Amino acid sequence: AQKITQTQPGMFVQEKEAVTLDCTYDTSDQSYGLFWYKQPSSGEMIFLIYQGSYDEQNATEGRYSLNFQKARKSANLVISASQLGDSAMYFCAMRTEDRDDKIIFGKGTRLHILP
Amino acid sequence: EPEVTQTPSHQVTQMGQEVILRCVPISNHLYFYWYRQILGQKVEFLVSFYNNEISEKSEIFDDQFSVERPDGSNFTLKIRSTKLEDSAMYFCASQISIGGHRDTGELFFGEGSRLTVL
Repeated sequence: AQKITQTQPGMFVQEKEAVTLDCTYDTSDQSYGLFWYKQPSSGEMIFLIYQGSYDEQNATEGRYSLNFQKARKSANLVISASQLGDSAMYFCAMRTEDRDDKIIFGKGTRLHILP
Repeated sequence: EPEVTQTPSHQVTQMGQEVILRCVPISNHLYFYWYRQILGQKVEFLVSFYNNEISEKSEIFDDQFSVERPDGSNFTLKIRSTKLEDSAMYFCASQISIGGHRDTGELFFGEGSRLTVL
């Protein structure tokens, strides 16, 4: 079964510090993709970053990077130099090759950036 | 920048009433989805739609739910007889392709329709 686990329901981080949001996944597929989405208080879902299972290098997008450890089946999101505007809910998600038309989400981590 | 649009942004309805949530996906996208998020909880997959038919649905998507793409631009979610537990934010999403391992296949989400069932 495909599964995404986010074990941190909430985190508090001081502004300008780096933060790591944990995500582990479970799949028997060899080919899959991992996503992170941000959901601010407005409710919209904002795509942040993507990592393919065959990508040899960790994905990076500006202040976001994905720490992909395939053997451990983890895909942690790292936000460098956090900002107040980073306060939001963050969802890890996965798409697998045999279920290509469905993306499943973790339960999310609520990140609070403190001034 | 192209975007997915959803209407209404908020709907309040009585239990047992029918509700239709509307979505206009990005025009050249081929894959369409509905997700829902009960307040404070995870985003749950409801259904995917491709080539004018449902390609996959979750156990949540029972006979009370249906989807339609009536005119090639709108993508609707209908709930025939709403229940209290249907109260949630409903997100429409679309993809241009499902992607491969070198393609993000990014989902573009609408801003959501909040449904409140009384």
